[in-house]
Amino acid sequence: DTGVSQDPRHKITKRGQNVTFRCDPISEHNRLYWYRQTLGQGPEFLTYFQNEAQLEKSRLLSDRFSAERPKGSFSTLEIQRTEQGDSAMYLCASSPWGVLGQWSYNEQFFGPGTRLTVL
Amino acid sequence: AQRVTQPEKLLSVFKGAPVELKCNYSYSGSPELFWYVQYSRQRLQLLLRHISRESIKGFTADLNKGETSFHLKKPFAQEEDSAMYYCALRSRSSNTGKLIFGQGTTLQVKP
Repeated sequence: DTGVSQDPRHKITKRGQNVTFRCDPISEHNRLYWYRQTLGQGPEFLTYFQNEAQLEKSRLLSDRFSAERPKGSFSTLEIQRTEQGDSAMYLCASSPWGVLGQWSYNEQFFGPGTRLTVL
Repeated sequence: AQRVTQPEKLLSVFKGAPVELKCNYSYSGSPELFWYVQYSRQRLQLLLRHISRESIKGFTADLNKGETSFHLKKPFAQEEDSAMYYCALRSRSSNTGKLIFGQGTTLQVKP
């Protein structure tokens, strides 16, 4: 499977614990996005990377959240001191931005998501 | 403020009936509009985008800038169209490429 992969697919944790999710983008995609989706809502943008540089963070991303993309390949999203409100599906997407033009045809390909449940 | 609104949480139709999934947006600049679909137990995937002006799986969507709408239409629904549909926009002037999604509409096509 050459699509975007995410690990783990499901994570159950207790409030106050730290969790880390991993996203492996499609090879050679220079852009990587993180979104969060809560029940009954559409995905909401959290942050994105162009290669290894994190270029924008949403106000949804509190200081308990940190994301990295070392070497511009896979990315990790860590949540410290989890709260019940962090329970959601965390989606990763990658895109070949700029390859065919600044915005045209730069489709985002989504991974299966990591479902986090905080007890 | 940038916003995408899908007024219907659930749309239920019979096979062969026409389908229209509504999407309205609020955006001050020039947006690019998309429809994404998520079939049961599958990942979110792009269905179509307004700049392509193409029909995918019989679905079409026309951007109406006057009404700020991007409704998704299909003349004859099929059972395999049952899925969750999300309308999304992104800025054509911003370099972020981030997508702003609506709340989604579940399409249920009954036999």
